[in-house]
Amino acid sequence: DTGVSQDPRHKITKRGQNVTFRCDPISEHNRLYWYRQTLGQGPEFLTYFQNEAQLEKSRLLSDRFSAERPKGSFSTLEIQRTEQGDSAMYLCASSLTARAVDTQYFGPGTRLTVL
Amino acid sequence: QKEVEQDPGPLSVPEGAIVSLNCTYSNSAFQYFMWYRQYSRKGPELLMYTYSSGNKEDGRFTAQVDKSSKYISLFIRDSQPSDSATYLCAINSGGSNYKLTFGKGTLLTVNP
Repeated sequence: DTGVSQDPRHKITKRGQNVTFRCDPISEHNRLYWYRQTLGQGPEFLTYFQNEAQLEKSRLLSDRFSAERPKGSFSTLEIQRTEQGDSAMYLCASSLTARAVDTQYFGPGTRLTVL
Repeated sequence: QKEVEQDPGPLSVPEGAIVSLNCTYSNSAFQYFMWYRQYSRKGPELLMYTYSSGNKEDGRFTAQVDKSSKYISLFIRDSQPSDSATYLCAINSGGSNYKLTFGKGTLLTVNP
């Protein structure tokens, strides 16, 4: 169990550019979640996958955001035409269906700064 | 009214103090209650979870849930400087709804 990993840890981009983040969940965890956290706030849910299926998306996830989880392993979150308001920490978490309580384990996050 | 309310603090205590962190929630459908600890610029780390009213203890940490009042607490005994972090309560309603709803977090500083 090596934990949830995310790459990159930091990303600085200019407004209007596209960015892509990667998340590798804990091996054998079949659920994967994306959250966004801004300064002074708790994480806010964006979307989640069970295996390769994206089962729920928040209204926070505008059309510029897209997430994929090909083959039910790692996931990517892409933001197109970034805006300054997209600056935040993007957190990935994973969990295992078989557990009675859906305990989510978080990665270290990707901190995005849009200039 | 936000679904989960948490006093952001900051809270500053001397080493060895008992710390009480609290959240209230509005949705009676919430079933599972978690506490996460987040160090600066790191991801949240799961501390404890519970799903029933009452207390659950793990070392120096005790989680308490009062579903009738929609109130959850985390107590830290014999607090240490290494406990200095932001503490986040997180709740979900179980069933097919897996997303966690977080409080804002309470920033705790334990002074040596």
